[in-house]
Amino acid sequence: EPEVTQTPSHQVTQMGQEVILRCVPISNHLYFYWYRQILGQKVEFLVSFYNNEISEKSEIFDDQFSVERPDGSNFTLKIRSTKLEDSAMYFCASSEYPGGKNVLTFGAGSRLTVL
Amino acid sequence: EDQVTQSPEALRLQEGESSSLNCSYTVSGLRGLFWYRQDPGKGPEFLFTLYSAGEEKEKERLKATLTKKESFLHITAPKPEDSATYLCAVQAEQAGTALIFGKGTTLSVSS
Repeated sequence: EPEVTQTPSHQVTQMGQEVILRCVPISNHLYFYWYRQILGQKVEFLVSFYNNEISEKSEIFDDQFSVERPDGSNFTLKIRSTKLEDSAMYFCASSEYPGGKNVLTFGAGSRLTVL
Repeated sequence: EDQVTQSPEALRLQEGESSSLNCSYTVSGLRGLFWYRQDPGKGPEFLFTLYSAGEEKEKERLKATLTKKESFLHITAPKPEDSATYLCAVQAEQAGTALIFGKGTTLSVSS
């Protein structure tokens, strides 16, 4: 069964450092997403990406965050200068369709720990 | 403000003891309601999508139903392998493609 692959599974970084989280979405999917889940809290939407540009973003997704699809397979989330409160599990997801039919397939997540 | 509330937060069942999980939602206009299962340390795994009140979907021991204000996930004769956190999420008309998640219900089934 096709799956979304995320690397690294766990990253520990110092506050103020840049972090890049990588994702390989399902090959025939056209819509890509990042969500995050702070320990014990809800899964929260960060950003959606389609046709090489951001479709939507949440208030969480400020100037410290950026996304990129550098080639035909990878989708990355960059955090420019990490803060303690960025510690969370980051989930990449992809879907075939937008709107109400967008059944998202999630990756296993990348746990980010900021010290 | 669009909101999703799930109850209970945690549920312990004996194997074979049926029960229901609740998801209450307040959205400006519902495009879809989604149920996901999440195992520890993993990403959410899709279970069902419901689009309109009265709709029902079934998969093995799980059945999801939808009204205008809430959804139920019924678990019939659960087994230990059904232990997981069950997440409810909605897509609202004014929220674009973003899913709004509830905190989830953590289900533990003992044999």
